[in-house]
Amino acid sequence: AQSVTQLGSHVSVSEGALVLLRCNYSSSVPPYLFWYVQYPNQGLQLLLKYTSAATLVKGINGFEAEFKKSETSFHLTKPSAHMSDAAEYFCAVTPNSGYALNFGKGTSLLVTP
Amino acid sequence: DTGVSQDPRHKITKRGQNVTFRCDPISEHNRLYWYRQTLGQGPEFLTYFQNEAQLEKSRLLSDRFSAERPKGSFSTLEIQRTEQGDSAMYLCASSLSPVGSGLSYNEQFFGPGTRLTVL
Repeated sequence: AQSVTQLGSHVSVSEGALVLLRCNYSSSVPPYLFWYVQYPNQGLQLLLKYTSAATLVKGINGFEAEFKKSETSFHLTKPSAHMSDAAEYFCAVTPNSGYALNFGKGTSLLVTP
Repeated sequence: DTGVSQDPRHKITKRGQNVTFRCDPISEHNRLYWYRQTLGQGPEFLTYFQNEAQLEKSRLLSDRFSAERPKGSFSTLEIQRTEQGDSAMYLCASSLSPVGSGLSYNEQFFGPGTRLTVL
């Protein structure tokens, strides 16, 4: 079965610092991988997705992620954190397009002034 | 542009009562998904529909849970004889089936969720 593991349930960065949120996947077939963001009391919004095209994926709000098959990783990065980036971030995997998503447990990002 | 909507946004009920939630997907989307999210966890898949057909159910969906999508548009999720362990955020998402769309993947759009508290 496909699954993801997010390392670090809480990450704290200073405003302007690099954001790095880690995600490792387990999949027996080439996966589709996603990062979602959830603000308090809201649904999930797609940040970016990997669907077997380019390994470096750019998303919204300045986020990007790199698919590394050798490391089974799909880490999320942003060069410079903004206060508005404070939220819960979820990595997710699905074996096929249009199929149910398997989410990680999430990483709560705190941005300090 | 209307997204996925869910009603109610919040529901407080007593243990043993039945509750029903509604999800209205984006109008042209033929796939509809239900997920459950407990505190401090990621969403967990419950079930999904393509049009009116329920194509998959998770083992998390006990006999007390039932979902319908009678006309292939809105969907309802009913929980009978609620238990305190049912307290969670119930999320609905919709998408277009990628088959015939010319795309490799069609994004799932999520609604704001229904937060259920069972006392």
